[in-house]
Amino acid sequence: TQLLEQSPQFLSIQEGENLTVYCNSSSVFSSLQWYRQEPGEGPVLLVTVVTGGEVKKLKRLTFQFGDARKDSSLHITAAQPGDTGLYLCAGGRNTGKLIFGQGTTLQVKP
Amino acid sequence: GAGVSQSPSNKVTEKGKDVELRCDPISGHTALYWYRQSLGQGLEFLIYFQGNSAPDKSGLPSDRFSAERTGGSVSTLTIQRTQQEDSAVYLCASSLSGDLSYNEQFFGPGTRLTVL
Repeated sequence: TQLLEQSPQFLSIQEGENLTVYCNSSSVFSSLQWYRQEPGEGPVLLVTVVTGGEVKKLKRLTFQFGDARKDSSLHITAAQPGDTGLYLCAGGRNTGKLIFGQGTTLQVKP
Repeated sequence: GAGVSQSPSNKVTEKGKDVELRCDPISGHTALYWYRQSLGQGLEFLIYFQGNSAPDKSGLPSDRFSAERTGGSVSTLTIQRTQQEDSAVYLCASSLSGDLSYNEQFFGPGTRLTVL
């Protein structure tokens, strides 16, 4: 059972385009994290959201946590080749373990 | 270095052999986690250690998998009688504590295990 459904799984776009990645669940999480992972490396945390309805911006990246704390989205404006990588959402319930989505592989072509 | 380190970086073994994977967490981090990742996929939780508490082993896929953490620092994940479906990247992470709302998990580079 996949508790966190992430979509799309693959995304190939041109430099300059905008994109949104979605992370959905039927379960409530106390926190939602977004990670970015490059080949041969471990995931690196981008942001943590903890409040329903919360919006956080990190340069060209905008993260939103749903009001009911069951879903989240990551929006990238004017994507650049350096944004290429695997994006992972992960839900936490303050129990120590993270529930990860399947990941979204993003390729930004110059 | 100051980050999480894992060894070996790559391990190729034959079906039926036992393997040990090592994780050195960031000094001072009380929480340590093991995850498994198949190619291009999300991470699957395996086991979590928090201080001196009993570990959360709820993610271990079978009794062939076990892990220990000695002295609250280094951890070893052991897979006995390896099977081909065990092939994956095994990732270790550590954090200051297990409160996910406030503490980032720092990941090591992983050990790529291939079972022939």
